[in-house]
Amino acid sequence: RKEVEQDPGPFNVPEGATVAFNCTYSNSASQSFFWYRQDCRKEPKLLMSVYSSGNEDGRFTAQLNRASQYISLLIRDSKLSDSATYLCVVIKAAGNKLTFGGGTRVLVKP
Amino acid sequence: SAVISQKPSRDICQRGTSLTIQCQVDSQVTMMFWYRQQPGQSLTLIATANQGSEATYESGFVIDKFPISRPNLTFSTLTVSNMSPEDSSIYLCSVEPSARAFFGQGTRLTVV
Repeated sequence: RKEVEQDPGPFNVPEGATVAFNCTYSNSASQSFFWYRQDCRKEPKLLMSVYSSGNEDGRFTAQLNRASQYISLLIRDSKLSDSATYLCVVIKAAGNKLTFGGGTRVLVKP
Repeated sequence: SAVISQKPSRDICQRGTSLTIQCQVDSQVTMMFWYRQQPGQSLTLIATANQGSEATYESGFVIDKFPISRPNLTFSTLTVSNMSPEDSSIYLCSVEPSARAFFGQGTRLTVV
């Protein structure tokens, strides 16, 4: 089993709709969680951190479920510019390496 | 945050040759990281580079194939040696202040 797993998609989303997807992690001791966004032929960029209490940044909401060992990302009112691959990143402990999920591809269509 | 300049951005190389990728950071960082992203895949950590010591390689990666230099706290190089078509990939350097990774623009390598 991979340490961090994501549904590769693609999720085909009508513009203006809501899309949500999860990322599961295998190590219950994992401490830090992030969502990164990677556009085609570009480097990954931090989208948002994921906090235990859940957090929201504009149209994006991230949540952590420690009991079931997954994090989620929800995008409301999808824009064409939201089309990208979303990478889940997990860190076991401070100073440990980042572990990347395989990415979830989202395609927002008019 | 950190700004990372990585070059070359892309290259097409003959098999059997070597390519050195450079990363320059706009601030001093203790650790720099080198990743590989194969087509359609996520990022895989190659090695961690600390200034003044040998790099630490992940399972499946060896120093002879991917020698790394870290001469100071703002610069690192990764060499892909004796290349084969299987090395065609994107190579990315990264720094991780406060556990949040910032990446260079990546080097898209094609080996023919």
